[in-house]
Amino acid sequence: GAVVSQHPSRVICKSGTSVKIECRSLDFQATTMFWYRQFPKQSLMLMATSNEGSKATYEQGVEKDKFLINHASLTLSTLTVTSAHPEDSSFYICSARPIYRVGETQYFGPGTRLLVL
Amino acid sequence: AQKVTQAQTEISVVEKEDVTLDCVYETRDTTYYLFWYKQPPSGELVFLIRRNSFDEQNEISGRYSWNFQKSTSSFNFTITASQVVDSAVYFCALSEVRGGATNKLIFGTGTLLAVQP
Repeated sequence: GAVVSQHPSRVICKSGTSVKIECRSLDFQATTMFWYRQFPKQSLMLMATSNEGSKATYEQGVEKDKFLINHASLTLSTLTVTSAHPEDSSFYICSARPIYRVGETQYFGPGTRLLVL
Repeated sequence: AQKVTQAQTEISVVEKEDVTLDCVYETRDTTYYLFWYKQPPSGELVFLIRRNSFDEQNEISGRYSWNFQKSTSSFNFTITASQVVDSAVYFCALSEVRGGATNKLIFGTGTLLAVQP
């Protein structure tokens, strides 16, 4: 089956630092990856759509200068939370959509828990 | 605009009871996908089912069954003979279709199911 990994699984950082989260499709290529955020006891909300080789598309209300997305290859997208603050503490989940497989669904990574102190 | 409503915030049942989780959606698209995911305390999303808008047949998979009714824009999920391991948050989601593939997912607010022994 299609596998998506995320690294790190958990990160604790000090306020003001930047944190990079990686999302990798391990056994398929993905031109499109999605980044979602989930606050405690809330639903998943799409933050941005990451497209390989082009700029990400951000959802309304998501600061693109704060949440930097890079999709440099067909198997890797990164989300960098710049100058993180406690309100950025959340569960970040990525998903990847395989290319060349019309009608295929997305596959989710296991998520990254970010705690900003 | 697309929207998914899960009116039941929390449901508590006793083991072996049947339970139905409701999902109502809104979309202007004629082609779309509907999903159900399970999210245990670990946080990882577990894919349960995907149904496209042209397939209204009900589906059964073991103790799980799904009832899709376009006339009422509902995609309800029933667990028969519930077990403690079914305790989790369940999300219903809607996806638009672009180029034959699923696009970003719109999630409902989730239903927390607690199965008591």
